[in-house]
Amino acid sequence: AQSVSQHNHHVILSEAASLELGCNYSYGGTVNLFWYVQYPGQHLQLLLKYFSGDPLVKGIKGFEAEFIKSKFSFNLRKPSVQWSDTAEYFCAVNGDYKLSFGAGTTVTVRA
Amino acid sequence: DTAVSQTPKYLVTQMGNDKSIKCEQNLGHDTMYWYKQDSKKFLKIMFSYNNKELIINETVPNRFSPKSPDKAHLNLHINSLELGDSAVYFCASSPRSYEQYFGPGTRLTVT
Repeated sequence: AQSVSQHNHHVILSEAASLELGCNYSYGGTVNLFWYVQYPGQHLQLLLKYFSGDPLVKGIKGFEAEFIKSKFSFNLRKPSVQWSDTAEYFCAVNGDYKLSFGAGTTVTVRA
Repeated sequence: DTAVSQTPKYLVTQMGNDKSIKCEQNLGHDTMYWYKQDSKKFLKIMFSYNNKELIINETVPNRFSPKSPDKAHLNLHINSLELGDSAVYFCASSPRSYEQYFGPGTRLTVT
């Protein structure tokens, strides 16, 4: 069975600060990895994905994530956050034909 | 031009009632899903259909019954609603089993 663990439950930062959200997964086979964002009151949107190739993946809105196979990690980063990045962030792993989500990290950016 | 749509967006009903949520995707995807997001924002897959066939059925009470009349639609029928069914239900679709595209969600409140 696959599982996803997100290290931070709630992160509070100021605008222009750097953001890093941790994500670890467990799954024995080949996985596809994703970060989704859910803005307040909205549905989930894909930020970025990793299937294969370059382990450093760039997504939308200046986000990037690094896949480290040896650590089973897929951490999300953004060098300089904006107030509009306030949202819930979900790491997900796709294996066994289903997507398993982490518990989510609430990110609050203060202006 | 909505990719994944759900109706209704909000649903308030009393315990014991039966209700349905509809989902439609116009992306031509083969696979559709239902997720439940609880009050703590935790997302859990409930069902998945591929070309109208059920492929994932997680541990969900049998009061929940998905129905896929064609590969563009996946409806969720819930019998004998309980207080614990209150949540946001998201429909999603994907090409095969890769990245998923989510609908806007249906907020179900059982009183």
